[in-house]
Amino acid sequence: GAGVSQTPSNKVTEKGKYVELRCDPISGHTALYWYRQSLGQGPEFLIYFQGTGAADDSGLPNDRFFAVRPEGSVSTLKIQRTERGDSAVYLCASSDSGRNTGELFFGEGSRLTVL
Amino acid sequence: AQSVAQPEDQVNVAEGNPLTVKCTYSVSGNPYLFWYVQYPNRGLQFLLKYITGDNLVKGSYGFEAEFNKSQTSFHLKKPSALVSDSALYFCAVSATSGTYKYIFGTGTRLKVLA
Repeated sequence: GAGVSQTPSNKVTEKGKYVELRCDPISGHTALYWYRQSLGQGPEFLIYFQGTGAADDSGLPNDRFFAVRPEGSVSTLKIQRTERGDSAVYLCASSDSGRNTGELFFGEGSRLTVL
Repeated sequence: AQSVAQPEDQVNVAEGNPLTVKCTYSVSGNPYLFWYVQYPNRGLQFLLKYITGDNLVKGSYGFEAEFNKSQTSFHLKKPSALVSDSALYFCAVSATSGTYKYIFGTGTRLKVLA
């Protein structure tokens, strides 16, 4: 597709379960970002990939959160032992970092609810 | 530490009137400033950016923003509001050229009344 695709759009899980959220960026975009948006807040940076490697993971809140991008395209955000405080909308975005236009292209997000 | 403040949770304006959505920032070094808009059930969409140069920046859908270094502000403006402009607006700052590790404000909901 033409835009950033995120699946699932909605995920309801129980406390303590493992969750994976997938992001398919715009074709050819080398930079990929994950943000988290809690209710009533602006998005908060989690992690940034340039190609296959995590260039900056300083926003991951703790070691329950992990993200991969093994082939430099699709990325998966993994959350272990989920907690109710993890409930949020997880946003993925990509950019053609070679152009440095300053524009990030965002997906519609994956809404995670932890019961 | 970098921060962004959007002092208004909601702004109401009549259709056809000018609108302003306020943003102030705090960053060490030169700021890279952005505005994004979020429509219901849609992803964040880029409106405009300030990197360097002219303090008045023009963007998508007739929006513009004015960078004011002395007041550390980057207010979003539009001369004539449309009902379809009703959405959630986010200001963001990055202190690093070439990356999009943004600090976002908390957002301002704009409601344009017919």
